[in-house]
Formats: sequence, structure tokens, C-alpha cells
Amino acid sequence: KAGVTQTPRYLIKTRGQQVTLSCSPISGHRSVSWYQQTPGQGLQFLFEYFSETQRNKGNFPGRFSGRQFSNSRSEMNVSTLELGDSALYLCASSPPGLNTEAFFGQGTRLTVV
Amino acid sequence: GQQVMQIPQYQHVQEGEDFTTYCNSSTTLSNIQWYKQRPGGHPVFLIQLVKSGEVKKQKRLTFQFGEAKKNSSLHITATQTTDVGTYFCMNGGSQGNLIFGKGTKLSVKP
Repeated sequence: KAGVTQTPRYLIKTRGQQVTLSCSPISGHRSVSWYQQTPGQGLQFLFEYFSETQRNKGNFPGRFSGRQFSNSRSEMNVSTLELGDSALYLCASSPPGLNTEAFFGQGTRLTVV
Repeated sequence: GQQVMQIPQYQHVQEGEDFTTYCNSSTTLSNIQWYKQRPGGHPVFLIQLVKSGEVKKQKRLTFQFGEAKKNSSLHITATQTTDVGTYFCMNGGSQGNLIFGKGTKLSVKP
């Protein structure tokens, strides 16, 4: 069974630009969550999608948005990039059920210069 | 809001020594999950604890959930170099709204 796939693995962008990251969950998983990981703040929850609907949202500005498609694949978009957005962005998918484990992808390393 | 505090932030041990990381919450946790992230890798699920006072073992790893379901611990007996990484606790909360502790970074000196 293929794991969670995130693309691209690495990205360098300039301040003010926007970026779109992609996540393909494990087959059969309908819940996809996104996290930002930085050395100072650790793992911070961005949002979670389930069946194309945003079900939960973390405490991030509106520049961070996402969506989920009918095949459960998800995208995350960050507009007007800031230097502080440099981070590892992790996507995780979860199987059906309550409080099930999260399966993480390898992440996308975003550097904003 | 709900917070999950994890201590210590760093732990350096000699190979063969034991290691413990603690996770504390200001509120009662519905469940707690533990993850390990190797350097350069992504978090990998280790275990989930649900019941008050629950203790689970995985070889040299022992996981405990407090009686009040407000704290948890992960204990590694006789650490090995393969144990190197950052260990995170996570409160499942409502589905998908996961709150992670900041993690304990373990280094093991051979």
C-alpha cells in the first residue's frame, strides 16, 4: 500500500509569491491534515479536510488555505509569502474512525528568500 | 486553548542508559498518541493510549497514561543509537484537530 505522497519535496520561493503544495493520502483515507513544522514552534496544526470539507482549522492567518478533491487528494496554498513561512509542511492522512493514527508524508521543505 | 506541554526539550544519554519524556496537559485528554521523528524524517506513529492508567509496552518502550488522563510518559530502557530522534506526544482531540507537544529530542552517545 503506497504511503502519503507530498510534492514537491523542496521549494524555494521569493517573498510575496504564492505557493501550492500537494498531498496524496493513502488509498481509502478520507481525512487529510496539514501541519507546519519549524524548529521554534514545533508541529502546528493548519487545517483538516474530510470529504472535500474543511472540518477543523488551526490558528493561522487567512494567507494559508487548502482544499480537498473528490479523490481525497489535498492541496495547500500560501499566498503573499513571508520569510517566516519557511518551514517543513507535513501532510497526514487518517483512516476512517474516531481518533485514529495519522500517517505522515515526507513533507515539503519550503524556503522563502 | 488546550495545550500539551512536553519535557524535557532535549535529552542526551549514553547508550545503554534509560530515557523518559513526559507530556502534560492542562485539560483532560480523550486519548494520547506518541510519534517518533528521526532526523530528516517525518513523524511515525508509535502508540495510542485511551484508558485512564493505561500502560502499554513495545519491546524496550513503555507508555503510560495518567489516572486523571492529563499526563503521559514514554520510557525507553537501555537506549540504543537507533532510538535517536524526536518523540512527540499528541492529543487527538476532535478528529483531525491534533495538538502536538513540542517534542523531546533524544541523542544517544555510543
